[in-house]
Amino acid sequence: DVKVTQSSRYLVKRTGEKVFLECVQDMDHENMFWYRQDPGLGLRLIYFSYDVKMKEKGDIPEGYSVSREKKERFSLILESASTNQTSMYLCASSLAQNQPQHFGDGTRLSIL
Amino acid sequence: QKEVEQDPGPLSVPEGAIVSLNCTYSNSAFQYFMWYRQYSRKGPELLMYTYSSGNKEDGRFTAQVDKSSKYISLFIRDSQPSDSATYLCAPRDNFNKFYFGSGTKLNVKP
Repeated sequence: DVKVTQSSRYLVKRTGEKVFLECVQDMDHENMFWYRQDPGLGLRLIYFSYDVKMKEKGDIPEGYSVSREKKERFSLILESASTNQTSMYLCASSLAQNQPQHFGDGTRLSIL
Repeated sequence: QKEVEQDPGPLSVPEGAIVSLNCTYSNSAFQYFMWYRQYSRKGPELLMYTYSSGNKEDGRFTAQVDKSSKYISLFIRDSQPSDSATYLCAPRDNFNKFYFGSGTKLNVKP
């Protein structure tokens, strides 16, 4: 089974802080994704990566950046956290671009 | 208009009931359709997926796609309390982008 591990289940940060969310997958998947999930809005794609050192903007990249230095690790960075970034953040990976994505258990981030 | 619409529920049914969960979508180019199950405080887990129109069965679960109506259904037979979760539909377009519905919450009462 694919294992996608997110480093923190719950995180509380203050506005203006730089926040790092880490994600690791153990199945040698090429593709990795970051989503946020908000009630009534579903999953919205923030950034994705199809290869090491490569990144593409999703639908809502503003206020975020990403880093993929190693194939198994994909980090989401909130450059200067704001209260509207309080959300559930989900990391996912897939073997190929057209294959289903496998998700981690999420990080519930609160920005105070 | 959203790409994918789901009734948020909650849908409450007694144990043993047949459950029907539905999605509508707007993009006629969608070819590949997934269903995810998400338990509280967990990430979505892939339940099943199907290509194009027709039915696909996996145990107590049946996925049905009607492309002419742009309508996707997930049927659960002999529902169990352990089926209580939020169900997300997720079609994919020709550019390999997945669109996730906001989910329908299901409660199966013992």
